[in-house]
Amino acid sequence: QVQLVESGGGVVQPGGSLRLSCAASGFTFSNYAMHWVRQAPGKGLEWVTFIRYDGSNKYYADSVKGRLTISRDNSKKTLYLQMNSLRPDDTAVYYCAKTGRVGATKASMDVWGKGTTVTVSS
Amino acid sequence: QSVLTQPPSVSGAPGQRVTISCTGSSSNIGAGYDVHWYQQLPGTAPKLLIYGNSNRPSGVPDRFSGSKSGTSASLAITGLQAEDEAEYYCQSYDSSLSGWVFGGGTKLTVL
Repeated sequence: QVQLVESGGGVVQPGGSLRLSCAASGFTFSNYAMHWVRQAPGKGLEWVTFIRYDGSNKYYADSVKGRLTISRDNSKKTLYLQMNSLRPDDTAVYYCAKTGRVGATKASMDVWGKGTTVTVSS
Repeated sequence: QSVLTQPPSVSGAPGQRVTISCTGSSSNIGAGYDVHWYQQLPGTAPKLLIYGNSNRPSGVPDRFSGSKSGTSASLAITGLQAEDEAEYYCQSYDSSLSGWVFGGGTKLTVL
């Protein structure tokens, strides 16, 4: 079945770095654009970043621009989020999500992983 | 302050009908971008409930329906059940931000 599994979360000090991974299975990963979405404790969903199916275009929320970088390895069916210069307000559960249509950019997010928790604290 | 505005909470008795509104602007919903709805049960990841304004993925009961008009969209839930108690989010794309946006979420309580 279609599945996304995030990993790499943990506790990191302010200013530190972390790399999240999202392993995909059950679908042709290279055909679909992907998102990272986060949810701070007790808060709503916040879109973080997007990458096209072939990695040619990437978009970021203003709150993370210049600090977080999305990438993908289609041969490994894996999505990544490199997180640098982390701040306490980056503390959240980070979800990866698949777009709902082949090659589409503005389609829905039809499959979500269970999330991985990032805590930025000294 | 979310780009898409939802009521913080709604409630209804079992069997009743409730609606959740999602108000945007001319750079997102009003620009013609699709609205999608997600259901998040406590302690779980979001799940796609409605895509493309009014379409239900396979497995979603027809008690859930979506609509869109102008700069707003709505999610309707009929025949409320206890298991519908969850947080609901609308989502679209915003051309001014060049990014994807979510509503602030609406907590549905089944009385």
